[in-house]
Amino acid sequence: KQEVTQIPAALSVPEGENLVLNCSFTDSAIYNLQWFRQDPGKGLTSLLLIQSSQREQTSGRLNASLDKSSGRSTLYIAASQPGDSATYLCAVRPSGGGADGLTFGKGTHLIIQP
Amino acid sequence: DTGVSQDPRHKITKRGQNVTFRCDPISEHNRLYWYRQTLGQGPEFLTYFQNEAQLEKSRLLSDRFSAERPKGSFSTLEIQRTEQGDSAMYLCASRGLAIPDTQYFGPGTRLTVL
Repeated sequence: KQEVTQIPAALSVPEGENLVLNCSFTDSAIYNLQWFRQDPGKGLTSLLLIQSSQREQTSGRLNASLDKSSGRSTLYIAASQPGDSATYLCAVRPSGGGADGLTFGKGTHLIIQP
Repeated sequence: DTGVSQDPRHKITKRGQNVTFRCDPISEHNRLYWYRQTLGQGPEFLTYFQNEAQLEKSRLLSDRFSAERPKGSFSTLEIQRTEQGDSAMYLCASRGLAIPDTQYFGPGTRLTVL
């Protein structure tokens, strides 16, 4: 059974700092990995999707990397802003067998102090 | 593209009552997913449809839960004989078959069982 772990569970940093969020998964048989953002009481917003054959994806100040063989992904946020405060979730999609539901970690709750 | 919509946004019910939620996916998305999220946890996959066919069901989907997508467009999730443990956010997502195969999430339905 796939398990996804996110470290740290919570993080509070001053505005302007660069930061790294970590995600690990136990089964390397994945099709892709997605990073999402969730604001309190809201749905999820997709940030980046990395296919299993890719090593990284970038969007603006966000960069996500994937090391499938070691079961790890990182989300790098450059020059953090108060508006980045949210919960960040990573999720993996399984490969093969008709399974298509995402397995999520518990998230990293991020607070950017003005 | 109006996004994924869910109705109602909030539902309060008494234990033992039946409830039904609706999800309207992004038009032309043929895959539709249901997830459940409890406080402090990541979303957990429940089931998904390709068009009107229900292709995968999680073991979390007990006999009291039933989902339908009769015409391959909107979907309903019904919970019979609700229990307090059913209190959660119920999230719907959809995606098309194009790459990248990003899942787009709706705002969720918050269920409270008293």
